[in-house]
Amino acid sequence: NAGVTQTPKFRVLKTGQSMTLLCAQDMNHEYMYWYRQDPGMGLRLIHYSVGEGTTAKGEVPDGYNVSRLKKQNFLLGLESAAPSQTSVYFCASSWDKLSYEQYFGPGTRLTVT
Amino acid sequence: AQRVTQPEKLLSVFKGAPVELKCNYSYSGSPELFWYVQYSRQRLQLLLRHISRESIKGFTADLNKGETSFHLKKPFAQEEDSAMYYCARFSSGTYKYIFGTGTRLKVLA
Repeated sequence: NAGVTQTPKFRVLKTGQSMTLLCAQDMNHEYMYWYRQDPGMGLRLIHYSVGEGTTAKGEVPDGYNVSRLKKQNFLLGLESAAPSQTSVYFCASSWDKLSYEQYFGPGTRLTVT
Repeated sequence: AQRVTQPEKLLSVFKGAPVELKCNYSYSGSPELFWYVQYSRQRLQLLLRHISRESIKGFTADLNKGETSFHLKKPFAQEEDSAMYYCARFSSGTYKYIFGTGTRLKVLA
């Protein structure tokens, strides 16, 4: 099993450009999450999904959109990138009500200039 | 709002010394608490969960409901313990995880 994978690993955007980050998991997990990690602020939840076709806002959703069309994939979109969105983005997934452990992807380092 | 507080951003200890990473949570029902660790250039991974009451890599964490704390402890720190440690809480009502801001542990030779 590959676990949780993220594409791309690195990206540099110019202000105003758009992009989509892809998260894929092969563990048949129901729940998927997108976080951003910034120095001194730890992990902050952007959006999450508790099942295929469902999404919900997290702590810092502004400027981001998500979609979960397939159970194994969770996409994070930036419609118009801003320098404040420079961060490391982590995707995570977890199984179900019996196991709350989160499995994390390797992260995507995004720089917006 | 549910909160997880890690008061120390950086903790430096010498090899062989005891380590305690602090974590406090806001009281709300029965918490599901975890410690996650991120070693240099690696992904976040689960270290401990409170329901299993286990010891992983020599670390233990005891849930103290009276003090609303879930401190991570190790009696003798090793250099390979140097990493970023996050305390986290799972909210069964919303299926969200709430993470603390993290503590960077540096174990000095």
